[in-house]
Amino acid sequence: DAKTTQPPSMDCAEGRAANLPCNHSTISGNEYVYWYRQIHSQGPQYIIHGLKNNETNEMASLIITEDRKSSTLILPHATLRDTAVYYCIVSPNTGNQFYFGTGTSLTVIP
Amino acid sequence: GAVVSQHPSRVICKSGTSVKIECRSLDFQATTMFWYRQFPKKSLMLMATSNEGSKATYEQGVEKDKFLINHASLTLSTLTVTSAHPEDSSFYICSAPDLGSNQPQHFGDGTRLSIL
Repeated sequence: DAKTTQPPSMDCAEGRAANLPCNHSTISGNEYVYWYRQIHSQGPQYIIHGLKNNETNEMASLIITEDRKSSTLILPHATLRDTAVYYCIVSPNTGNQFYFGTGTSLTVIP
Repeated sequence: GAVVSQHPSRVICKSGTSVKIECRSLDFQATTMFWYRQFPKKSLMLMATSNEGSKATYEQGVEKDKFLINHASLTLSTLTVTSAHPEDSSFYICSAPDLGSNQPQHFGDGTRLSIL
């Protein structure tokens, strides 16, 4: 079963930062936080992952709280193409099963 | 980067037909692959873990005789929906981790199955 909870939907103005929260209060010490997104009728696309330190790549930043019970995905300058469902997943490593929660449907508004 | 390919992308067939979906890892070996099902406006639901050279592991509530999984090589897993019925219509997605490089799981683009 999914160990994450996310708000069902969010809106963000184009060009502004999109901050997507995720709660994972029962996360284990060896579990990573992974973020994927799914654009309609496509497979999920990897965005970023982290264990306890904040991470940044060319797509996004991941902020994990010190107690690791929640995290926030930040898209620094949202574009219309960022409209998608965003999933936060916790798993010991990439070779383990991923149990998806309900995700957050992000709509970027012109 | 690593890519996972699914085939076919879409299939429409009559009730009672068995349908095979292929999942290939294109530039890495995948000893493990995962199969998901997704209904409209719903999240992905893990169906089973496909293990190269051994039996698949099914999630609770998934009928293994209905959804046959074969992982005969390090780059190919197949899901066969046997005697498909309209309620089996769904979006089926596979994924594979590149354990050799510890890359995140790569997902295929999915197969849209419609049973008439």
